[in-house]
Amino acid sequence: SAVISQKPSRDICQRGTSLTIQCQVDSQVTMMFWYRQQPGQSLTLIATANQGSEATYESGFVIDKFPISRPNLTFSTLTVSNMSPEDSSIYLCSVPNLAGELFFGEGSRLTVL
Amino acid sequence: AQSVTQPDIHITVSEGASLELRCNYSYGATPYLFWYVQSPGQGLQLLLKYFSGDTLVQGIKGFEAEFKRSQSSFNLRKPSVHWSDAAEYFCAVGAAGGFKTIFGAGTRLFVKA
Repeated sequence: SAVISQKPSRDICQRGTSLTIQCQVDSQVTMMFWYRQQPGQSLTLIATANQGSEATYESGFVIDKFPISRPNLTFSTLTVSNMSPEDSSIYLCSVPNLAGELFFGEGSRLTVL
Repeated sequence: AQSVTQPDIHITVSEGASLELRCNYSYGATPYLFWYVQSPGQGLQLLLKYFSGDTLVQGIKGFEAEFKRSQSSFNLRKPSVHWSDAAEYFCAVGAAGGFKTIFGAGTRLFVKA
């Protein structure tokens, strides 16, 4: 299993600002996923981040709003741009193993005022 | 379309009582099925998984789940619930490599003394 660290664990942000969430994995992984969990909701996949290529975004999510970097095999960032209160969510980084099991960080809880 | 349905938004059981959380799925191919648990303020942790073979699978913390292909179900059970089991439980369906894992809406478990 992988150990995943996310920063920040929580933050309160002002409308119109941007915040970058960092995800560090204790081993090299090809693929990393970013999920959003809105209050009281399930997880929705935002994008898949592969090292050495552009992230692949799911329907309803765009690069301008959620730019992702993947500079190496152990690290990724997700930026939430031009935030509005609707972006208040928990953002989760996840890595899979070959069996399809997902390992998650503890999440970054964003509150946008 | 692929989907996961957890019919119960929340369930309350007494400590020591048995538990069953329901999950139904719709998936085009042979599914990889998972149950994850999310404790307050935490990321998700894998409880158990089913890929093939014995349809009754054992997981961590005394949980088990049974795959019933004819009913497209993967219900989670525990014979005796502990207060520490109070959490949110997510059923998920996916494929090898973790691609396109779809999560159910979750069932919040409350345990009363």
